[in-house]
Amino acid sequence: QVELQESGPGLVKPSETLSLTCTVSGGAISSYYWNWIRQPPGKGLEWIGNIYYTGSTNYNPSLKSRVTISVDTSKHQFSLKLSSVTAADTAVYYCTRTLGMEDYFDYWGQGALVTVSS
Amino acid sequence: DIQMTQSPSTLSASVGDRVTITCRASQSISTWLAWYQQKPGKAPKLLIYKASSLESGVPSRFSGSGSGTEFTLTISSLQPDDFATYYCQQYNSFPFTFGQGTKLEIK
Repeated sequence: QVELQESGPGLVKPSETLSLTCTVSGGAISSYYWNWIRQPPGKGLEWIGNIYYTGSTNYNPSLKSRVTISVDTSKHQFSLKLSSVTAADTAVYYCTRTLGMEDYFDYWGQGALVTVSS
Repeated sequence: DIQMTQSPSTLSASVGDRVTITCRASQSISTWLAWYQQKPGKAPKLLIYKASSLESGVPSRFSGSGSGTEFTLTISSLQPDDFATYYCQQYNSFPFTFGQGTKLEIK
């Protein structure tokens, strides 16, 4: 059974960089696309971007200037960095899997709440 | 971006009811649509993909239909475990986008 687990600081100061890591267990990291999705408290879902195990990425244009997604296949991990954060970036961040580049999300992590506050 | 609009935003229903949630896309997405169920404090769970394909392990009371710009999620007989928020998602093109959600409440 594939499991995804987010990890990283739960509190980030404004203007700093949010960093999260997703660890994949129970399945291969190759041959899949790995995504980040966020959900502000009480609001809907926003796709941030994805990465193939080869390192090829796709980003949401609304966040592209601030987002970097990377993968470390040897550690079965992929990561998210979001720079210059503001309170509007406070959200639960989910890591997810898709089989194809443009596809549905079949596995989700439990989510990590990141609060942006001084 | 493709805008996804769900209706209604809130739906009150009773156990045993048949309910339908609608999702409309701002442009044609063929059948590249998924439905998810989310309970408070939990990650969304995949129910339906490619508009009408039931994910493994999902009860058969859930069904999806539609193509192009209009889609529906139907629950044939509501069970207590079904009261949750439901989201549609298009994966026809980047950026992937979600509907705003439909909260299914107990009447």
